[in-house]
Amino acid sequence: DGGITQSPKYLFRKEGQNVTLSCEQNLNHDAMYWYRQDPGQGLRLIYYSQIVNDFQKGDIAEGYSVSREKKESFPLTVTSAQKNPTAFYLCASSQSGRTETQYFGPGTRLLVL
Amino acid sequence: SQELEQSPQSLIVQEGKNLTINCTSSKTLYGLYWYKQKYGEGLIFLMMLQKGGEEKSHEKITAKLDEKKQQSSLHITASQPSHAGIYLCGAEDTGRRALTFGSGTRLQVQP
Repeated sequence: DGGITQSPKYLFRKEGQNVTLSCEQNLNHDAMYWYRQDPGQGLRLIYYSQIVNDFQKGDIAEGYSVSREKKESFPLTVTSAQKNPTAFYLCASSQSGRTETQYFGPGTRLLVL
Repeated sequence: SQELEQSPQSLIVQEGKNLTINCTSSKTLYGLYWYKQKYGEGLIFLMMLQKGGEEKSHEKITAKLDEKKQQSSLHITASQPSHAGIYLCGAEDTGRRALTFGSGTRLQVQP
C-alpha cells in the first residue's frame, strides 16, 4: 500500500536534547512538508522541500532543521533551541513539486519531560 | 501572506441535521482544499476547488467556491456520528508552493 509513515507516534524530549521525527513516503512524490499543530489551532508550516537536496523555511522554522537526501525521506529535527516544542507534528507530500493535493501521515506527538 | 478564517470554530449538531462550515480568505483563492481530521490523527483529503462558482460533492458532503473566489463553504447533509472531527480548509500560497490552513472547525454529532 502506498502512503506516508511517521515515527514514532509519541516522542518525549528532555531539556537540552535534540530529537528527530521520521517521515517516509512511497508515493513517488517530489514535494514534502512539515507542519506543526497546536491545540485548537490549524497547521503552521515549518519546512518544505520541492526536490531532493533542496528545502525552504516555512513560517516557524526557528529551532527546527531538516534534510532531504532521498526522495522518499524528509526527517525533522527539533533542536534544543526550540523552547516550546510540545505539539502534534504532521508530515505531508504532494506530486511533482507543485502545490497539488497534499497527503498526510498519521502524525507524531512530541511531549517535553 | 494569505490568511484563512473558518467559522464557526466549533459546532454541535443532532444526528440527521444539516450544517455548513465557512472558510473566508483575505485574498483570491487559486486552489482551496478541504480536509477532515480525527483527533490525534493525520488529515484526510476531501475535496479541492479551483474555479469560481465550482461545486463538488462526495457522498453527503458538498463544497462550493464563490464566484469571487474568496469564500468557500462545506455543507453536510443529514449528519452522522461518522462526520464528527475537525474540518480544515487550506489554500495554495502562490508565492511559495505550499498550503496555508485555517484554524479548523470542530464538529460533534450527537446521536
